[in-house]
Amino acid sequence: AQKITQTQPGMFVQEKEAVTLDCTYDTSDPSYGLFWYKQPSSGEMIFLIYQGSYDQQNATEGRYSLNFQKARKSANLVISASQLGDSAMYFCAMRELGSARQLTFGSGTQLTVLP
Amino acid sequence: EAGVTQSPTHLIKTRGQQVTLRCSPISGHTSVYWYQQALGLGLQFLLWYDEGEERNRGNFPPRFSGRQFPNYSSELNVNALELEDSALYLCASSRRGTSGVTDTQYFGPGTRLTVL
Repeated sequence: AQKITQTQPGMFVQEKEAVTLDCTYDTSDPSYGLFWYKQPSSGEMIFLIYQGSYDQQNATEGRYSLNFQKARKSANLVISASQLGDSAMYFCAMRELGSARQLTFGSGTQLTVLP
Repeated sequence: EAGVTQSPTHLIKTRGQQVTLRCSPISGHTSVYWYQQALGLGLQFLLWYDEGEERNRGNFPPRFSGRQFPNYSSELNVNALELEDSALYLCASSRRGTSGVTDTQYFGPGTRLTVL
């Protein structure tokens, strides 16, 4: 079974609007971390936001927030007030306590922000 | 603070050759990770080094190897290159944390390897 599933290969959003990128995960480890990264066409993976499995509050970092629904095993990324520079590939990733620091990535969502 | 650096940026090799990729972690980070991003296969974990030791290895053949130096920089070596080794190789680094799930990995710009 896929550990990380991103069901939206591509998304479009109008500049200044909010967008939600979906991520579901599968683990039996009670302790895990969920990460979102942005990959522009240049290739570098840019860390955006982190959510721990025991965190009570949803993580927020500037315009990024993570809608963490533990019972549904989902960790959706919400980008508010989209900017043209947000156009990139977005990856959801998970690290389980028993995984020896290995990050498992989803297949990614290509976000295009329209002017 | 300087980020993770990788060299070279691009590399073209022929099948059967050997290649060495280099990575310098963020200052203060002791762990280095290598990932392969091949077209159609997504990002796959290759190797984790910490304090000079290989700590974890992904599902890759032994011709993928590496090492970490006393200054925490790292090399990834790939022997007997095959066409399917063509990929973006990303290096990441993290601090030595107390919890294995909270240590954020910060990535470098990658080395794009093309095997002809």
